[in-house]
Amino acid sequence: DAGVTQSPTHLIKTRGQHVTLRCSPISGHKSVSWYQQVLGQGPQFIFQYYEKEERGRGNFPDRFSARQFPNYSSELNVNALLLGDSALYLCASSLMTEPYEQYFGPGTRLTVT
Amino acid sequence: AQSVTQLDSQVPVFEEAPVELRCNYSSSVSVYLFWYVQYPNQGLQLLLKYLSGSTLVKGINGFEAEFNKSQTSFHLRKPSVHISDTAEYFCAVSVNYGGSQGNLIFGKGTKLSVKP
Repeated sequence: DAGVTQSPTHLIKTRGQHVTLRCSPISGHKSVSWYQQVLGQGPQFIFQYYEKEERGRGNFPDRFSARQFPNYSSELNVNALLLGDSALYLCASSLMTEPYEQYFGPGTRLTVT
Repeated sequence: AQSVTQLDSQVPVFEEAPVELRCNYSSSVSVYLFWYVQYPNQGLQLLLKYLSGSTLVKGINGFEAEFNKSQTSFHLRKPSVHISDTAEYFCAVSVNYGGSQGNLIFGKGTKLSVKP
């Protein structure tokens, strides 16, 4: 079975631009979570979606938004990019049953110049 | 609120030596605990997890961890490391609050550097 997939692998954007990152969960997983990992730090939780509804949100500004589609794939959108948004963005999927274990994708490396 | 502290940011060790990477957590409720490994320019790979039961947990690549509730610790150990174990290791605690379930709070990571 395929694991969590993310696209694109890498991208470079300019300050002020907008970016969309995509994630496809493991087949059968209905929950997707997004994390931001800045260089030298541990990942930080951004959003969790389950059955197309937002279930949780971390401490991120409103420039960050996400959505989940009927096939359970997800998009993370970031508007008005700042240099500080440069990071590895990780997507994780889970079954949403105990113990709610999360399976991570390879990540999208975003560089903002 | 839950938090995770990894006590060492870098751990250098010689090949075939034992290693311990330390992790302490703070939580007012029962938690699930995880160790992940991240190789350069890659995502996170699960090494092992503690959900319940035996406090000694065995994972992949010869790693093991011991859950100590009284000391709120979950230290990762390997009796003999290889060059290929060079990577960054993250300890994480799973949180459930509101409608959000299973999301992880990570420590800042420990870079393990294995030298020949």
